[in-house]
Amino acid sequence: NAGVTQTPKFRILKIGQSMTLQCAQDMNHNYMYWYRQDPGMGLKLIYYSVGAGITDKGEVPNGYNVSRSTTEDFPLRLELAAPSQTSVYFCASKLAGGMYNEQFFGPGTRLTVL
Amino acid sequence: QQQVKQSPQSLIVQKGGISIINCAYENTAFDYFPWYQQFPGKGPALLIAIRPDVSEKKEGRFTISFNKSAKQFSLHIMDSQPGDSATYFCAARATGNQFYFGTGTSLTVIP
Repeated sequence: NAGVTQTPKFRILKIGQSMTLQCAQDMNHNYMYWYRQDPGMGLKLIYYSVGAGITDKGEVPNGYNVSRSTTEDFPLRLELAAPSQTSVYFCASKLAGGMYNEQFFGPGTRLTVL
Repeated sequence: QQQVKQSPQSLIVQKGGISIINCAYENTAFDYFPWYQQFPGKGPALLIAIRPDVSEKKEGRFTISFNKSAKQFSLHIMDSQPGDSATYFCAARATGNQFYFGTGTSLTVIP
């Protein structure tokens, strides 16, 4: 199993550009999450999904959009990039059912908006 | 508003010493408290976790102490090793499987 994979690893965007961060998991997990990590701020939940076709906002959803058309994929879309979106983005997944199932994280995408 | 408060921000410990990281929360609906370890350039990985009906959980050199009445929990790393040098995050799970993370503690273990 590859686990949780994210592409690209690094990206530089200009203000106003758009892009999609890709996330895929091969563990047949129901839950998928997008977090951003900023220095000294920990991880903040952007969006999450409990299954294909179902998504919900987290703590910091503004400026982002998501979709979940399959169990495996959970892309994150930035429509009009702003410098405030410079961050490291992590995707994670978790199996539903058990109360204490582990959340598995991908390796991250480092995004810089100039 | 930070739902889970974590301290200290950084910690330097001698090899063989005890590392202690503290977290506090307000939301009594949180029902699961994991700790994550993150090495530079990697994603966080689950280290150890505890339920609120348990006061202590130990796995090897890592122990979580949980004080439900004080709404505090802490991670103790016994016999700290240079390989433990990493950033540690506490977290709490809310209804609907949303997770809230602390701000992280950068641990350096000096040989």
